[in-house]
Amino acid sequence: GESVGLHLPTLSVQEGDNSIINCAYSNSASDYFIWYKQESGKGPQFIIDIRSNMDKRQGQRVTVLLNKTVKHLSLQIAATQPGDSAVYFCAEGFGNTPLVFGKGTRLSVIA
Amino acid sequence: NAGVMQNPRHLVRRRGQEARLRCSPMKGHSHVYWYRQLPEEGLKFMVYLQKENIIDESGMPKERFSAEFPKEGPSILRIQQVVRGDSAAYFCASQTAGPNYGYTFGSGTRLTVV
Repeated sequence: GESVGLHLPTLSVQEGDNSIINCAYSNSASDYFIWYKQESGKGPQFIIDIRSNMDKRQGQRVTVLLNKTVKHLSLQIAATQPGDSAVYFCAEGFGNTPLVFGKGTRLSVIA
Repeated sequence: NAGVMQNPRHLVRRRGQEARLRCSPMKGHSHVYWYRQLPEEGLKFMVYLQKENIIDESGMPKERFSAEFPKEGPSILRIQQVVRGDSAAYFCASQTAGPNYGYTFGSGTRLTVV
């Protein structure tokens, strides 16, 4: 069940290091996955997406990996910068059903 | 090309008052989604609308909450007789027609019920 009021898990990394943020999704029928970045006081911002017929997709400094066997999604950020500090959410979708969001991970970059 | 516009950014209401939150989708987007976010939590789906139609309202509380997306004008999320538990950030997202793609979110409306 859901937990209300718990703090978000936090990942702290040194500036310049690589970050890996993990997400376990719930619906084995989901065929579309997205990572969003949310900075304080702002709305979620699209980072990268991947469809279930792929297991890896690369963007600029970001890579998303999908493991359907264990229903696991990860976001890798290369050479993490202070501007990467934010909360990161994974989301899953199926057909035209609304996206379902995970609980989020706070990334804190240490300069 | 303006993004998804939400207003007001901040809204304070006393218990028992009504709150109206507005969302203008991106130009050319005909699908609108409303999500609610409590502090330190993820986004919870509330309702999915297309022009003049509610497609999925499975995340909406049965009482006091309603949403519309008229033929002309913004989408409106209305909360009647607000209670303190309604305090949250409400985000609207829009999408062009077609299979699931990433939504574009607005900056949200932060509702505080006092």
